[in-house]
Amino acid sequence: GDSVTQMEGPVTLSEEAFLTINCTYTATGYPSLFWYVQYPGEGLQLLLKATKADDKGSNKGFEATYRKETTSFHLEKGSVQVSDSAVYFCALSGDYGGATNKLIFGTGTLLAVQP
Amino acid sequence: GAVVSQHPSRVICKSGTSVKIECRSLDFQATTMFWYRQFPKQSLMLMATSNEGSKATYEQGVEKDKFLINHASLTLSTLTVTSAHPEDSSFYICSARGGTPSPQHFGDGTRLSIL
Repeated sequence: GDSVTQMEGPVTLSEEAFLTINCTYTATGYPSLFWYVQYPGEGLQLLLKATKADDKGSNKGFEATYRKETTSFHLEKGSVQVSDSAVYFCALSGDYGGATNKLIFGTGTLLAVQP
Repeated sequence: GAVVSQHPSRVICKSGTSVKIECRSLDFQATTMFWYRQFPKQSLMLMATSNEGSKATYEQGVEKDKFLINHASLTLSTLTVTSAHPEDSSFYICSARGGTPSPQHFGDGTRLSIL
């Protein structure tokens, strides 16, 4: 079945460092890809998304490009801040035989940014 | 943006109690709502999908009689954990979607602790 694989954390960086969180997927068809962020004690917030190959999603300085040839959707940010500390989830949504389009999540990657 | 309200945010109760969690879409009509369970340091596990006015579709391994889901209106879905036991302690998160291809919007989650 469809699945998402994320790099294991935690990822610990100093403020202003470059961030990459790897995400690869396995899916039939052409899924949509997402990055969600979860701050401590809260639910998930959509960070960015891409719906087709070569699309780049971006938001709040974060970017991810839908790479069909490598089945990847790596999350990047050029300069992280302490406030970016959170758990980041990569997810995909495909056609599962109906209108449901449920999300399949990776295991999440904890990012800790130190001042 | 779209807002989903989940209540209560935290509940502590004795073993054997039934607990109801509400999920409301505040500024859109949610044709589909999802219920997830998140274990510590793990990803979200989809429990069930509910469409307004119809029975919920449960994922494999999720007990229907244990986790009762009602989606009686386009803005409200409830999850009732019946006769809860300590192993049911977890973080439960709902999400709502207005229809494909709109994204899922997540509530802030409910921390359930069964003593």
